[in-house]
Amino acid sequence: EDQVTQSPEALRLQEGESSSLNCSYTVSGLRGLFWYRQDPGKGPEFLFTLYSAGEEKEKERLKATLTKKESFLHITAPKPEDSATYLCAVQAMDTGRRALTFGSGTRLQVQP
Amino acid sequence: DSGVTQTPKHLITATGQRVTLRCSPRSGDLSVYWYQQSLDQGLQFLIQYYNGEERAKGNILERFSAQQFPDLHSELNLSSLELGDSALYFCASSPHENTGELFFGEGSRLTVL
Repeated sequence: EDQVTQSPEALRLQEGESSSLNCSYTVSGLRGLFWYRQDPGKGPEFLFTLYSAGEEKEKERLKATLTKKESFLHITAPKPEDSATYLCAVQAMDTGRRALTFGSGTRLQVQP
Repeated sequence: DSGVTQTPKHLITATGQRVTLRCSPRSGDLSVYWYQQSLDQGLQFLIQYYNGEERAKGNILERFSAQQFPDLHSELNLSSLELGDSALYFCASSPHENTGELFFGEGSRLTVL
């Protein structure tokens, strides 16, 4: 069974204080790892796809990286508007298990 | 705005009742997914349709059913509702069948009293 574990559950940062969120995964044949952002009362919003170990993707203050067992979402000099829950999800190669398996998320709060 | 429309946004009903949630995907998207999000379970995949046909099924209860219509909108039917069915129900769409890049609606919040 595919599993995704995210840590920490919650993180409070000061504006400008860089940090990283962790996503550990277990999947038999990774097709892709996905990061989403979810604001309160809203649906998740797609951020990144990573396909293979060593791959990196960047968008503004966010950078996602991937190893064979985990992914990190690095947040550089965060701003209050980066406050949200960040979700990680995996998709298996097996065509019978293509639906995304999501982690429980990391609730990020950035204080001014 | 993701372009995915879900109605109703909020719904309060009683145990034993039946409700229907509706989803209109982004223009041109053929795949529709339904997810359930509760505080203790996170986002759980329920079911996927692609161009009118069921493609994948998650841990969807037998009391729940869904369909995708020829105009590609989808409905999720929840029957014999229980307190534990209270949750946010999200619809997502994508242009392809097997992508993980999904566009989510804002959800329908169901409260069962």
